[in-house]
Amino acid sequence: AQKITQTQPGMFVQEKEAVTLDCTYDTSDPSYGLFWYKQPSSGEMIFLIYQGSYDQQNATEGRYSLNFQKARKSANLVISASQLGDSAMYFCAMRGKDNYGQNFVFGPGTRLSVLP
Amino acid sequence: KAGVTQTPRYLIKTRGQQVTLSCSPISGHRSVSWYQQTPGQGLQFLFEYFSETQRNKGNFPGRFSGRQFSNSRSEMNVSTLELGDSALYLCASSERTGGLNTIYFGEGSWLTVV
Repeated sequence: AQKITQTQPGMFVQEKEAVTLDCTYDTSDPSYGLFWYKQPSSGEMIFLIYQGSYDQQNATEGRYSLNFQKARKSANLVISASQLGDSAMYFCAMRGKDNYGQNFVFGPGTRLSVLP
Repeated sequence: KAGVTQTPRYLIKTRGQQVTLSCSPISGHRSVSWYQQTPGQGLQFLFEYFSETQRNKGNFPGRFSGRQFSNSRSEMNVSTLELGDSALYLCASSERTGGLNTIYFGEGSWLTVV
């Protein structure tokens, strides 16, 4: 079965510093996508970054980069130059095939707090 | 380009009632999926529709159902509401179904069952 693990329930970072949010995954499907979403208190899930299982290079989107280590089944999110507005829940997710067909699995999330 | 739109944003229902939530995907997106988010269970996949057909289904009871219309808009229905159905229901859309397509979420519908 597919599974996403995020071992950090909460993280603190000083404004303007970089922070890494951990994510490991498990799947037997060779073709999958890895995603990171940000969820502020309003509830909306905001797409941040995507990494395909066949992508050779790590994905980057502005201040967000994904440290993809396929052999370790790891897809950590790196946020550079943290801002106060980055305080939110962050979810790692994977889309691939399971017994039901294509499915989308989320990790439990990491709550990031940026300190002034 | 407008994002994913969900209505209503907030609603309160009584146990035993039924509820219908609506989702309009991003223009051009043909896949719509639904998720339930609760503090205890986190985010869980409900089902996905593509071209008016249910393509995938999560592990939820039959009280949860959905449909998709020819314009890709989707509705989900929960019958015989239970207190445990109180949750944030998120809809998401993508251009196509399949693991390598990014999905974009709406703001969600907050359902409270009393």
